Amino acid sequence: QKEVEQDPGPLSVPEGAIVSLNCTYSNSAFQYFMWYRQYSRKGPELLMYTYSSGNKEDGRFTAQVDKSSKYISLFIRDSQPSDSATYLCAMSTPSSGNTPLVFGKGTRLSVIA
Amino acid sequence: DSGVTQTPKHLITATGQRVTLRCSPRSGDLSVYWYQQSLDQGLQFLIQYYNGEERAKGNILERFSAQQFPDLHSELNLSSLELGDSALYFCASSARVATPNEQFFGPGTRLTVL
Repeated sequence: QKEVEQDPGPLSVPEGAIVSLNCTYSNSAFQYFMWYRQYSRKGPELLMYTYSSGNKEDGRFTAQVDKSSKYISLFIRDSQPSDSATYLCAMSTPSSGNTPLVFGKGTRLSVIA
Repeated sequence: DSGVTQTPKHLITATGQRVTLRCSPRSGDLSVYWYQQSLDQGLQFLIQYYNGEERAKGNILERFSAQQFPDLHSELNLSSLELGDSALYFCASSARVATPNEQFFGPGTRLTVL
């Protein structure tokens, strides 16, 4: 079982839809959870970052962490064609020195106008 | 623009050759990470440097090596290249080495091995 599992999609939705992207993980030591957005032929860019459990909202984006289920989600409200990209979840354990991120494989999202 | 720069953007070379990829972190960031991204494996962590010292190793092959220089730029050296090394190579930087450490990615170098 991989440490982080993410459905690769592709996921195609109409403009204005609510999008739900998810990851599951197996390492209960993960405490920091991030979502990156990657446009085609570009580097990943950090969208949201949360610590431990709970919700975090930033504009049209909401990140949720459920540590009891080892499940994280990213919701996109009022999706736009410009949201079309690959979304990668990433997570890490608390550390004072060695802090690589473990990434999911990414979900490819297409928002159709 | 993340502030992380990588050169070259594209690299085409032959099997058995050696290449060097270069990364300049964001101004003030001391920590540099290298990742490999392929279609089947996703984004895989290779190696991390902090202020010139190696801090963590991931799935980095023995044919690959890296270093971080006093001016904080980093180079990833790939030798005895194989077809399977064709991938996108990303560099990321962060201000901290301890978590939470938000990592900012460069635009990547696309390596094609023929």
